[in-house]
Amino acid sequence: TQLLEQSPQFLSIQEGENLTVYCNSSSVFSSLQWYRQEPGEGPVLLVTVVTGGEVKKLKRLTFQFGDAKKDSSLHITAAEPGDTGLYLCAGVGPGANNLFFGTGTRLTVIP
Amino acid sequence: DAGITQSPRHKVTETGTPVTLRCHQTENHRYMYWYRQDPGHGLRLIHYSYGVKDTDKGEVSDGYSVSRSKTEDFLLTLESATSSQTSVYFCAISGLAGGFGTDTQYFGPGTRLTVL
Repeated sequence: TQLLEQSPQFLSIQEGENLTVYCNSSSVFSSLQWYRQEPGEGPVLLVTVVTGGEVKKLKRLTFQFGDAKKDSSLHITAAEPGDTGLYLCAGVGPGANNLFFGTGTRLTVIP
Repeated sequence: DAGITQSPRHKVTETGTPVTLRCHQTENHRYMYWYRQDPGHGLRLIHYSYGVKDTDKGEVSDGYSVSRSKTEDFLLTLESATSSQTSVYFCAISGLAGGFGTDTQYFGPGTRLTVL
């Protein structure tokens, strides 16, 4: 099992604050994905990072893949209530059953 | 919306009874997956399928079986449900027909199963 640990597990912040979520593993992945999941729904893909050191931006969200391709971070600038949800990282390995999910970070943004 | 439906969406059952969950897709994706989601564990793969009648075990397959007789349907069966199988179950699909299991998986809305 290729374990992915996310931190923090829970995060509650005020609207307008910045935050960073971390995803760490001892395993190397070919790429890494971030998903957001809202209550009562399945996860939805936000981004895939492929190259070690890669940084991708999606509006106020910045995703970074570690140089060694073992870890990643998600930074949100000026959080909004609509950012509330469960954030999951997933390491992509070889093969068809190739997603290994992290433990999740539940974010609450208070208006 | 990737055209994935799951049924039922909610189910309460008793220990020892058989339960079947259905995943239906309209996207002609080759790969289908069943995950369970529990607090503190993220999503864990139960079984997956890489084609009609082709299935394989995932990380937490004990107590579960699957079948795929048509491209569009993937069934998950709990032969004799236990309280430890209380969870939210998600189906996912990936890989358009003729291709490999692409990295992007599209998830269904989930089934909340409670075993009393």
